[in-house]
Amino acid sequence: DGGITQSPKYLFRKEGQNVTLSCEQNLNHDAMYWYRQDPGQGLRLIYYSQIVNDFQKGDIAEGYSVSREKKESFPLTVTSAQKNPTAFYLCASSDRVPYNEQFFGPGTRLTVL
Amino acid sequence: GDSVTQMEGPVTLSEEAFLTINCTYTATGYPSLFWYVQYPGEGLQLLLKATKADDKGSNKGFEATYRKETTSFHLEKGSVQVSDSAVYFCALSGASGSRLTFGEGTQLTVNP
Repeated sequence: DGGITQSPKYLFRKEGQNVTLSCEQNLNHDAMYWYRQDPGQGLRLIYYSQIVNDFQKGDIAEGYSVSREKKESFPLTVTSAQKNPTAFYLCASSDRVPYNEQFFGPGTRLTVL
Repeated sequence: GDSVTQMEGPVTLSEEAFLTINCTYTATGYPSLFWYVQYPGEGLQLLLKATKADDKGSNKGFEATYRKETTSFHLEKGSVQVSDSAVYFCALSGASGSRLTFGEGTQLTVNP
């Protein structure tokens, strides 16, 4: 089955540690996205990539980093510079053209203790 | 820039009631419009979409019509079920096609 996988489902880290969230897709989509969702709130775009080896900052990129070395993978690192990292993180992918219909993974809930 | 405004929630209905969740947008050109649904603890699922004016998207009893004259894409369902309880997001893909712009989401609770 084609889809997007995110691992792990739940992640706990101590304050001051970097942590990397995994996102893999087998839909052969060119574009991939990372969103952050806080309780009772909408989605905020962190980073997106429209092609391998290229990515752009979204609306809240500070304290995060990404890489796009392979078409199917778009890992997100939450660095110690992110002041409030506890949140639900969602990865998505799309063909981008013509309609940019995005498909979402199941999400990773990160808790920083 | 592009923006999406959804009616504020939460919305609480009894089973078999009629549902409307309002969505209006601001965008240049002719955006594509989407409704996504999110069940507790899960990612978003595409519910329906419309890619040009007057298109009607429909799925699982939900419908929404792309109204360019009123810049709206209201979500409707004639008879809701308890299983429809979720958060609903309206979104648009603008002229650049490089990203989606989401509304804030509307929490729907359906009571038996």
